[in-house]
Amino acid sequence: AQSVAQPEDQVNVAEGNPLTVKCTYSVSGNPYLFWYVQYPNRGLQFLLKYITGDNLVKGSYGFEAEFNKSQTSFHLKKPSALVSDSALYFCAVKSRGTASKLTFGTGTRLQVTL
Amino acid sequence: DVKVTQSSRYLVKRTGEKVFLECVQDMDHENMFWYRQDPGLGLRLIYFSYDVKMKEKGDIPEGYSVSREKKERFSLILESASTNQTSMYLCASSLGSDRVETQYFGPGTRLLVL
Repeated sequence: AQSVAQPEDQVNVAEGNPLTVKCTYSVSGNPYLFWYVQYPNRGLQFLLKYITGDNLVKGSYGFEAEFNKSQTSFHLKKPSALVSDSALYFCAVKSRGTASKLTFGTGTRLQVTL
Repeated sequence: DVKVTQSSRYLVKRTGEKVFLECVQDMDHENMFWYRQDPGLGLRLIYFSYDVKMKEKGDIPEGYSVSREKKERFSLILESASTNQTSMYLCASSLGSDRVETQYFGPGTRLLVL
C-alpha cells in the first residue's frame, strides 16, 4: 500500500526567509509525487509534480521540490517566503503501476509572519 | 481554463436525511473523484469513476454511494446522513487513467449534519 507522511502539522517562518515543508513517501516501485496548496475556504490547487528526470522540480508561485529516492522524500521549498504563502500544503503520491488513485498526506499548515 | 464546480459551498442537513452533493467539470475529463477532508486526517478517497456509469470504491466508501450518468457530472449520495459525516467534501477530476495527470479540485462543500 502507498502512503505519505508529513511530519510537521505546522511550519512557522518569517517573511523573506527560506521555507521547507517536509514529505516522505512509501510506494512500490518508482513514484509520481505531487504538491497541492489549499487557501482558506478553497479547494486544492496544484503546485508541482515529479514524474521522472531532474530531481529538482519547479512549480507555481516560486515553489520547488526535490525528489530524493534514497531518502524517499519530496520536500517542498521556497527561497524567500511571503505572507501570502500562508496556507495548508498537501503532499501526494501515486504508484506508477496503478490507476489514478492518489494518496494524500495529512497536510502541513504554513504560517509566514512579518 | 480548467473548471470543477460543486453545487453548494455550505450545507446543513439533519440526521437521517438523504443528501446529494453534485460535481460538474467542463474539461471532458475521464476520471472524477470524491474526497472528504478532516483536520489531522488529510484527504481520504471515498469513491472514484473512470468512465460514465463506472465507479470504484476508495478508502472510505461506507455510508456513501455515487452516480455518474454523464461524463461531466459525478454525484455523491449520503443515503442516510449521520453526524460523523460532517466534513468538507472535495470533488476532483483528471484527464485519463494511464497518464500522470494532475487532479483538479472544486471549491469544496462544507456539510454539517445535525
